[in-house]
Amino acid sequence: GAVVSQHPSWVICKSGTSVKIECRSLDFQATTMFWYRQFPKQSLMLMATSNEGSKATYEQGVEKDKFLINHASLTLSTLTVTSAHPEDSSFYICSLRDPASRTQYFGPGTRLLVL
Amino acid sequence: AQKITQTQPGMFVQEKEAVTLDCTYDTSDQSYGLFWYKQPSSGEMIFLIYQGSYDEQNATEGRYSLNFQKARKSANLVISASQLGDSAMYFCAMRESASGGSYIPTFGRGTSLIVHP
Repeated sequence: GAVVSQHPSWVICKSGTSVKIECRSLDFQATTMFWYRQFPKQSLMLMATSNEGSKATYEQGVEKDKFLINHASLTLSTLTVTSAHPEDSSFYICSLRDPASRTQYFGPGTRLLVL
Repeated sequence: AQKITQTQPGMFVQEKEAVTLDCTYDTSDQSYGLFWYKQPSSGEMIFLIYQGSYDEQNATEGRYSLNFQKARKSANLVISASQLGDSAMYFCAMRESASGGSYIPTFGRGTSLIVHP
């Protein structure tokens, strides 16, 4: 069964609005979750590492004030795209690592379209 | 510098044949992990196989095997007996340690595999 869930699976919003994407670990507690974005026909680019109980670590070039990450519990991390613009349209995927094994699991992704 | 290199943007293979997808990596860590994922058109990332840097034997998972050559820093994926459902993007990824002990996974650009009858 699924190990990671994401909600919503797709969203269309107007430019200037904020969009929240949830990532849930279904099988185990995840102290660390990763957020990626993927443009069409391109690879996954790591945006940030979400740490439970502390601030997220952002990759170079990713605006932390635009992409707000909250890792409120060991099973939930949220990514909020603030004041979304058309260039933020992308496929956002969360990922987490099973602490008991070495496997990294991915959520089904969220397709964001900003009009 | 790119840490994961997949030199084949696209590959074609006939159904029931074997295919090798190339992946080379660059790291100075002694301990690291290598992964292969499949991404069909739905977008979901499906874990296929894992190889740890200290694993002496090549990893195998059903029709998938990883040809791990540590000295050459390569981790090629071999798919045996290709099926039409294997058509997808395939990503090689590496997880290495970072400061503070967190493991940061990075991905290659991917290889598009098309299996034809």
